[in-house]
Amino acid sequence: QKEVEQNSGPLSVPEGAIASLNCTYSDRGSQSFFWYRQYSGKSPELIMSIYSNGDKEDGRFTAQLNKASQYVSLLIRDSQPSDSATYLCAVKRFGNEKLTFGTGTRLTIIP
Amino acid sequence: DADVTQTPRNRITKTGKRIMLECSQTKGHDRMYWYRQDPGLGLRLIYYSFDVKDINKGEISDGYSVSRQAQAKFSLSLESAIPNQTALYFCATSDPQTGPNPRYYGYTFGSGTRLTVV
Repeated sequence: QKEVEQNSGPLSVPEGAIASLNCTYSDRGSQSFFWYRQYSGKSPELIMSIYSNGDKEDGRFTAQLNKASQYVSLLIRDSQPSDSATYLCAVKRFGNEKLTFGTGTRLTIIP
Repeated sequence: DADVTQTPRNRITKTGKRIMLECSQTKGHDRMYWYRQDPGLGLRLIYYSFDVKDINKGEISDGYSVSRQAQAKFSLSLESAIPNQTALYFCATSDPQTGPNPRYYGYTFGSGTRLTVV
């Protein structure tokens, strides 16, 4: 079992709709959770971090964390073509500063 | 200027050659990392360093070596390049957690080096 799992996609969403990206993790010692956006050939860019169960909103982005189910998700409201990218889920274990990444979900917003 | 700078941006090299990828940062971070990214495999950790005197192997260190010349500089070397080392390489930095309620803010990535070994 991979430590961090994501559906590779591609996930196609119409412009203006909500895009929902999911991530599961295997290590119950995981403490911090991150979503990175990566455009093709570019470096990953941090867009959301979440540390506690529940929802965290930042503009059009909402991260959701459920530690009991070992599940973290990212919702993108009012999806725009510029949101088309690969989204990487990353997890940090308590006491360990290294991040473990999922393989990413490729999101395409259809105009 | 970028906070984390990688050089070169692109490199084509021949099998068997030694090559060095360089990373420098102005973030003042102690922690530095080298990852490679391959399609379908995601980001995999090669080496990491928590300070100048601390070097640690990641999950795929075979065929690679590193040097932490200073707090701000962390270089990755391929001693004898082989074609399956063709990948996108990223350097990243992070801040250590401190204080009574530490928050970890993730990595800052460099812009990457696209390496092709022919």
